[in-house]
Amino acid sequence: QQQVKQSPQSLIVQKGGISIINCAYENTAFDYFPWYQQFPGKGPALLIAIRPDVSEKKEGRFTISFNKSAKQFSLHIMDSQPGDSATYFCAAGVGGGSEKLVFGKGTKLTVNP
Amino acid sequence: GAGVSQSPSNKVTEKGKDVELRCDPISGHTALYWYRQSLGQGLEFLIYFQGNSAPDKSGLPSDRFSAERTGGSVSTLTIQRTQQEDSAVYLCASSLFPGGTQYFGPGTRLLVL
Repeated sequence: QQQVKQSPQSLIVQKGGISIINCAYENTAFDYFPWYQQFPGKGPALLIAIRPDVSEKKEGRFTISFNKSAKQFSLHIMDSQPGDSATYFCAAGVGGGSEKLVFGKGTKLTVNP
Repeated sequence: GAGVSQSPSNKVTEKGKDVELRCDPISGHTALYWYRQSLGQGLEFLIYFQGNSAPDKSGLPSDRFSAERTGGSVSTLTIQRTQQEDSAVYLCASSLFPGGTQYFGPGTRLLVL
């Protein structure tokens, strides 16, 4: 019930391509879905987040698509750049906030020049 | 500093020893979280502090783990009688208020030999 399943584990994309990472959840009480970006040796940093009252949120090259009925959400990175190479984590939280975030296992993205 | 700081950055210890990990949250942030990140895994919630309220300890994996937060600021995570399976990166995060964006520190890499 508390799991967030993330796929793929790793992803290799050419520069300029689209990177897509998917997450699925079971607990319908989740109402906050952030994505975090983590570079080696650093802590995760919030990239973008969505709440279930909207189906899509875009910030620059990063877009979250949210499908409430399917209990799935995804991160799309347009025009992927080598600097986007990092590990990406989806997460889910309950109660209108981010206490006790449940994280996916992460996707290691490599963008080749 | 402007961000969450953690010390030490790396810790190597022998099985059976006790360790203390420190977190300095962003000044003024009322909420503080501890997570554990094992190799190839997502972040696992450990404990959450909010103001003067009793902490949410529901994520602590065993009674060898404990944490305190003094004066509503600095927090210490203590692991007693360390085991090899405790080897992981321990991440601290803080947020301005419950449900606010969590800002992560760089983590403490713990290796138990």
